[in-house]
Amino acid sequence: NAGVTQTPKFQVLKTGQSMTLQCAQDMNHEYMSWYRQDPGMGLRLIHYSVGAGITDQGEVPNGYNVSRSTTEDFPLRLLSAAPSQTSVYFCASSFNSFTYEQYFGPGTRLTVT
Amino acid sequence: AQTVTQSQPEMSVQEAETVTLSCTYDTSENNYYLFWYKQPPSRQMILVIRQEAYKQQNATENRFSVNFQKAAKSFSLKISDSQLGDTAMYFCAFMKHGRSSGSARQLTFGSGTQLTVLP
Repeated sequence: NAGVTQTPKFQVLKTGQSMTLQCAQDMNHEYMSWYRQDPGMGLRLIHYSVGAGITDQGEVPNGYNVSRSTTEDFPLRLLSAAPSQTSVYFCASSFNSFTYEQYFGPGTRLTVT
Repeated sequence: AQTVTQSQPEMSVQEAETVTLSCTYDTSENNYYLFWYKQPPSRQMILVIRQEAYKQQNATENRFSVNFQKAAKSFSLKISDSQLGDTAMYFCAFMKHGRSSGSARQLTFGSGTQLTVLP
């Protein structure tokens, strides 16, 4: 099993550009989520999904869109990047929304200039 | 809302010595989980140890153990026989037991403690 994979590892965007951060897991996990990590802070929840076709907002959802068309994939879209979105983004998955253990991907470092 | 506080931004310890990282939290929940995650320079978040709030016995995983004081809302991590590979950022995190609002299994993190193990 590859676990949770994220692409790209690094990305630089200009203000106003759009892009999609990819996340995939091969563990047949129902629950997937996106976090962002800013300097001096822990991770904060952006969006989450409890299964294909079902998504919801987390603590800091503004400026981000998600969709979940398959169990395996949970992409995060930035429609119009802003410097405030410069961060490290982590995708995580767990077996379902009742289980506590979450498996994290390696992260994507995004810089918006 | 829950908050998690780690008051030690940086710590260092000599190899083979013991170090304790502090964490306090605030919640009105009675049932919850507490975790310590390790983030080495590779950025990968690695679960080190977890504690269920309803269990009085402190969790232990090899060289890692916790001191869970529910009344004081304190959850410290003790690393024994520190190794160079323990050098990392350590995050304390909280999760409600059962479902949060909606169905989020949201982890609430502290700001982290950078631990350096010195040779």
